[in-house]
Amino acid sequence: EPEVTQTPSHQVTQMGQEVILRCVPISNHLYFYWYRQILGQKVEFLVSFYNNEISEKSEIFDDQFSVERPDGSNFTLKIRSTKLEDSAMYFCASSPGPLNNEQFFGPGTRLTVL
Amino acid sequence: QQQVKQSPQSLIVQKGGISIINCAYENTAFDYFPWYQQFPGKGPALLIAIRPDVSEKKEGRFTISFNKSAKQFSLHIMDSQPGDSATYFCAAPNNAGNMLTFGGGTRLMVKP
Repeated sequence: EPEVTQTPSHQVTQMGQEVILRCVPISNHLYFYWYRQILGQKVEFLVSFYNNEISEKSEIFDDQFSVERPDGSNFTLKIRSTKLEDSAMYFCASSPGPLNNEQFFGPGTRLTVL
Repeated sequence: QQQVKQSPQSLIVQKGGISIINCAYENTAFDYFPWYQQFPGKGPALLIAIRPDVSEKKEGRFTISFNKSAKQFSLHIMDSQPGDSATYFCAAPNNAGNMLTFGGGTRLMVKP
């Protein structure tokens, strides 16, 4: 069964460093998303991406964040200068169609900022 | 911005009992309301979703009841099993239908 994959599973970085979180969405999906979940808290929407551009972003997704689909398979989230409060699980998701289609989530990347 | 309020935060149910989780949302012009199930260390997975041209949707032991006028919807798990122990999130779309806002989550424990 096709699935969303994410790498790395755990990333530890120093405050102020740049990190890139990588995702490989399901191959025939067209809509891509990033979410984050601070430990024990709710899942928070960051950004949605369709047709090579951002279709929606939340207040969390400020100028420190960017997304890219550098080739036909990868979808990346870059955090330019990490802060302590960026420590969270980051989930990538993809769906074959717009919002009323099931979003398939990856296993997540645990980001720890020291 | 969409706000989604979910209750209770935690729930303990005996095996075979009924688990009920409630959600309330603010205005949305886009009708799609999913419930996600998350096990520890895993990403959320879609459990069941409703497009409220109907007031109820049932899939096996899982039922969504939807009250559009009250802007509320709920998840009922019949014959709850220990394997249902997980965190459950409801979600609601924004008006443009291009993002989901999740509720705060309900940690369900089903005791054998």
